[in-house]
Amino acid sequence: AQSVSQHNHHVILSEAASLELGCNYSYGGTVNLFWYVQYPGQHLQLLLKYFSGDPLVKGIKGFEAEFIKSKFSFNLRKPSVQWSDTAEYFCAVKGGSARQLTFGSGTQLTVLP
Amino acid sequence: DVKVTQSSRYLVKRTGEKVFLECVQDMDHENMFWYRQDPGLGLRLIYFSYDVKMKEKGDIPEGYSVSREKKERFSLILESASTNQTSMYLCASSPSRRNEQFFGPGTRLTVL
Repeated sequence: AQSVSQHNHHVILSEAASLELGCNYSYGGTVNLFWYVQYPGQHLQLLLKYFSGDPLVKGIKGFEAEFIKSKFSFNLRKPSVQWSDTAEYFCAVKGGSARQLTFGSGTQLTVLP
Repeated sequence: DVKVTQSSRYLVKRTGEKVFLECVQDMDHENMFWYRQDPGLGLRLIYFSYDVKMKEKGDIPEGYSVSREKKERFSLILESASTNQTSMYLCASSPSRRNEQFFGPGTRLTVL
């Protein structure tokens, strides 16, 4: 079975600080990896995704994530956060022939102005 | 743009009532999913469907059933609502060859 761990439940940063949110998954085969974001009062939307190829993936709003297969990790990064990045962030994995995604428990990011 | 709509944003029901949550997508997606979202637990898959009249249990199907009579519509049914089913319910859809899921706005259900 596939599973996802997000180690940080709540992260508080000041504007312009750098961000890294951890995501580790457990699945031994080929995986597709995703980061979703949920802004306050809005629906989940895709931030970025990794299917294959370059392990450094760039997404919307200046976010990027790096797939490190040896560490089973897909950490999300942003060099300089803004107040508008305040949201909950979810990592998700789809392993092998599975039809469904498995989501992590989420990380609430609060950016202080 | 893909649009996934859910019948209600907020719903309040009483224990024992039968509850229907409706989800409609307008992009001819084969796959549809129902999740519940609870603080600290992330999204947990209840049921999903990969074709009309087809359904598969997710991680937490107990107390729920689903119906997919038409490709664009996927209903979640709580046969007898209980207080521990108070939650945010999210519907999603995805095309068969891609894995990206598109989410609806959610229904916040309160069971009293």
